[in-house]
Amino acid sequence: KNEVEQSPQNLTAQEGEFITINCSYSVGISALHWLQQHPGGGIVSLFMLSSGKKKHGRLIATINIQEKHSSLHITASHPRDSAVYICAVPRNSGNTPLVFGKGTRLSVIA
Amino acid sequence: GAGVSQTPSNKVTEKGKYVELRCDPISGHTALYWYRQSLGQGPEFLIYFQGTGAADDSGLPNDRFFAVRPEGSVSTLKIQRTERGDSAVYLCASSLTSEQGKYFGPGTRLTVL
Repeated sequence: KNEVEQSPQNLTAQEGEFITINCSYSVGISALHWLQQHPGGGIVSLFMLSSGKKKHGRLIATINIQEKHSSLHITASHPRDSAVYICAVPRNSGNTPLVFGKGTRLSVIA
Repeated sequence: GAGVSQTPSNKVTEKGKYVELRCDPISGHTALYWYRQSLGQGPEFLIYFQGTGAADDSGLPNDRFFAVRPEGSVSTLKIQRTERGDSAVYLCASSLTSEQGKYFGPGTRLTVL
């Protein structure tokens, strides 16, 4: 079993739909990262959170430490949101390397 | 620079050749990470540095891969006797503290023919 599992693997949505991407992890963590990767592009950090909820524009990330689960939500989705969304957690405590999920490929159709 | 930079952005080489990939982290960032991302997969850890020393190189797939960071800033990932299976995007990231998160470079796309 992978240490970081994401679902769904692929997601196609109509513009304006509310989107949820899920992440479950099996390691103990200090903070969980949500990252965005556009085709041919580098990785952009969206959120780093260790508890509760964070919001940035139309993006919302939540985490439940007890259940080792996090969700990324996109409200009023737009074609420019089309990208791969990756969940990642540190391997150990502190400033250690990240373990990544395989990513969720999101396509938002106008 | 303002962010993490990597050079070259693309590298095409022939099987058996030697390649070097460079990463310039954000100035002052003590931690530097190398990851490899194959098509359709999430990034996989290769090696990370705290300062000049490799704190963990357990992700390097074999002894053809080596990385250095001699002055604690720029890092070079070196791959000897490249194989077609080495083709991937090689990502570099840097960070100062765990609380401040990690900053990723644009990656180097390596293609071994």
